[in-house]
Amino acid sequence: EVQLVQSGAEVKKPGESLRISCKGSGYSFTSYWIGWVRQMPGKGLEWMGIIYPGDSDTRYSPSFQGQVTISADKSISTAYLQWSSLKASDTAMYYCARRVAGSYLYWYFDLWGRGTLVTVSS
Amino acid sequence: DIQMTQSPSTLSASVGDRVTITCRASQSISSWLAWYQQKPGKAPKLLIFKASSLESGVPSRFSGSGSGTEFTLTISSLQPDDFATYYCQQYNSYSPITFGQGTRLEIK
Repeated sequence: EVQLVQSGAEVKKPGESLRISCKGSGYSFTSYWIGWVRQMPGKGLEWMGIIYPGDSDTRYSPSFQGQVTISADKSISTAYLQWSSLKASDTAMYYCARRVAGSYLYWYFDLWGRGTLVTVSS
Repeated sequence: DIQMTQSPSTLSASVGDRVTITCRASQSISSWLAWYQQKPGKAPKLLIFKASSLESGVPSRFSGSGSGTEFTLTISSLQPDDFATYYCQQYNSYSPITFGQGTRLEIK
């Protein structure tokens, strides 16, 4: 089955670090870009950034540049989103999503993980 | 960044109704627009890409149109499973990906 499996919910304190994961299966993980999307409680979708696991080429939304780090380990078909110092405002659901195959013009997502809920509270 | 504005924010409708959601871009994005459906507690699901192309497996009652700065998602005859929140997303190559703020479709 083609799927993205995300790591489980996390509860952290402000200032702590965190890395969440997204493991692809059922397809060639190194051939598709993986993006990360934030959804704060009761709010809409925000694109954070995207990585190509084949060569780790990474692009960030200006809104998230410097705030998070996106990485991938192609040997285990897993992409990561990490924070070095969490804030309460990082509380949100985080989705990973696979960019569709094909033309370099197509930057939309055809496969989504179920999301990882991150709660940051003192 | 390109701003995407959806209207209305909330739409009340009944089963069988024809509904239309609008998405406007702050600058031309040609046809580089996708639509997603999201149900509570679930991940978004791709419905439409390239403004009017129906994703495989999506019912034909969903359709998209538009180009440039104005786009619409139409559901020809609402079914109970269609009550959800809908998002547009632009993917112009020279700008960061951005989503509309969402349109919540609720039962009247």
